[in-house]
Amino acid sequence: GAVVSQHPSWVICKSGTSVKIECRSLDFQATTMFWYRQFPKQSLMLMATSNEGSKATYEQGVEKDKFLINHASLTLSTLTVTSAHPEDSSFYICSASQGSSQPQHFGDGTRLSIL
Amino acid sequence: RKEVEQDPGPFNVPEGATVAFNCTYSNSASQSFFWYRQDCRKEPKLLMSVYSSGNEDGRFTAQLNRASQYISLLIRDSKLSDSATYLCVVNKYGAGSYQLTFGKGTKLSVIP
Repeated sequence: GAVVSQHPSWVICKSGTSVKIECRSLDFQATTMFWYRQFPKQSLMLMATSNEGSKATYEQGVEKDKFLINHASLTLSTLTVTSAHPEDSSFYICSASQGSSQPQHFGDGTRLSIL
Repeated sequence: RKEVEQDPGPFNVPEGATVAFNCTYSNSASQSFFWYRQDCRKEPKLLMSVYSSGNEDGRFTAQLNRASQYISLLIRDSKLSDSATYLCVVNKYGAGSYQLTFGKGTKLSVIP
């Protein structure tokens, strides 16, 4: 149980393109979803926390207008990287939990490469 | 000081060896603690939670010392499949939910 699916797993696109990444909880309702980013040889860094039906809470230094997060249902959250540039190339991972004190279950991650 | 600091590694050990990883955390408000493993280009996967009383899961033993804000992981009888990066993770409440803070990880290579 507690499966989180993330799509796509790999994206390569041109600079200036907007990219949408989906995160779905397949067998449970996720009231809270988290978006992380990991650069090579670095730790996972939390970008934002989103609760279903509410605006996401962004970590310091993460531009909310650039990284648009939507959590419209209990099983789906999306992250849109708007006007992506090469410095946005990274490994993006989502996680989902059934409640604020419940464990987080991670998606497979999305490797984003901007040319 | 970083919130979660780990041995930089890498650790290269022969099969069957015992290896220990250390981790310190800076935020005394941290409430729960975990070890995750992350394979190359994959998402992190929960290995085990860490409790003050210490806990064991097969070949893996985790310890927590809240007073010194120190966490450890011991792997006995290392297998080739144990090769991965081990992430020390602490959990604290913030922004209306529990948030995980990850260490940079320690890379383990088990050699035949």
